[in-house]
This record gives sequence, C-alpha cells and structure tokens, in this order.
Amino acid sequence: GAGVSQSPRYKVAKRGQDVALRCDPISGHVSLFWYQQALGQGPEFLTYFQNEAQLDKSGLPSDRFFAERPEGSVSTLKIQRTQQEDSAVYLCASSPDYGGITYEQYFGPGTRLTVT
Amino acid sequence: GESVGLHLPTLSVQEGDNSIINCAYSNSASDYFIWYKQESGKGPQFIIDIRSNMDKRQGQRVTVLLNKTVKHLSLQIAATQPGDSAVYFCAENIEGSYIPTFGRGTSLIVHP
Repeated sequence: GAGVSQSPRYKVAKRGQDVALRCDPISGHVSLFWYQQALGQGPEFLTYFQNEAQLDKSGLPSDRFFAERPEGSVSTLKIQRTQQEDSAVYLCASSPDYGGITYEQYFGPGTRLTVT
Repeated sequence: GESVGLHLPTLSVQEGDNSIINCAYSNSASDYFIWYKQESGKGPQFIIDIRSNMDKRQGQRVTVLLNKTVKHLSLQIAATQPGDSAVYFCAENIEGSYIPTFGRGTSLIVHP
C-alpha cells in the first residue's frame, strides 16, 4: 500500500525566500509529525498534529516556521525568510495511534532543503 | 571493527557475521524504545520495539536487549547481509509522551 509521501524531494532556496513542504500521510492515520534531520544526526522533533489539531509545536526553532494540517490529512510545513541554518532534511511521519498503545511511526522519504 | 568518525560511529562487518549496535539512552523515565533503520535517501524504517518491562525481544534476525540499570540498549542482527547496510537509530519515549528522542545513530557497513 501507499506509504507517507513528501514533496518536493529536493528544494534549493535562496536565503530570504519562503518555502512550503508538503506531506501526505498514510490514509486514516490520526497522528502526524514533522522532524528536522541535520547531516549525520538523528531526527529532531518539530511539531505534532492529532487530526487537524496542532497539539505540540515546541520543537519549531523560530517563528519563521509554521505548520498546518487543516483537514486532518495533508500537512504543510512552511519556512519563511529561509536562512542557511535551515538547510536540512525535513521528515514527515504518521501514526495510526494517539500514542497510547504503540509509538511506531511511518516515515516519508523526506525533503532535502538547501538554502544558498 | 568499530570507530567513531566525524559524524557517525561506524561498524564494519563481513557478510554473514553477527552485528551488535549499541545505544545509550538518556532518560531513566523512558519506558518505550524503538530501533529504526535509515537507508540513504530514505526516511527511518521501524525495525523492532521494546517496553521497559522487558529486557529482551526477538524479531526476524534481530534481537533487542534492554539494560535499564545502565540505560543501555543494543540491537543484534544475525547473519548480517549487504542489504542491512544503513544508519541505525535508537529512539526513546517517556511514558505518556508521543514524542520520541532519537539517539545519534550508527552507520553499519556490510562487506560482501
């Protein structure tokens, strides 16, 4: 079956540009997560949605980062006025669970963002 | 052998050998642990999980061992294959929290 998909797979942005990264979770999955992964590091949590509700955005590094999931399925991570330190792979993951039984998450392939 | 590179610890093994990847976790309140495999250009993929009320769990060719006393987790891969080459991450969840904390990762290289 279809897994989590993300688009674009690669994005090059000039410093100061705005970017929007899309995530299509597995159909029916309640939970959706965004992570930032720097080269050679593990994923770091950015934000979490349960259906359309953004329950936790404590990992967003600045107010330039904004995420939404208006209909409880597709999610978009937007970064305004990109900076070089924003260069990373942005991973999306979904889970069928609210986090009470299993914490297994299904990851997409990521979007590699390069800010020049 | 095992070495620490600039970015990731690396474990090199021969095809057919058993591999052991180690992880030290940080929070004694963590009660759920997952091992993920990440191949180049892909997102992490679930391998196996274990709860803190267990000290061992086995899957297909993989075994996870948990030592809560020293906050240590290991992943054993039997009869390692070239397709096992990837970066392996452990992740921990504190009870009641849906947000995992990922460890640094270990690069496994399997030589045919």
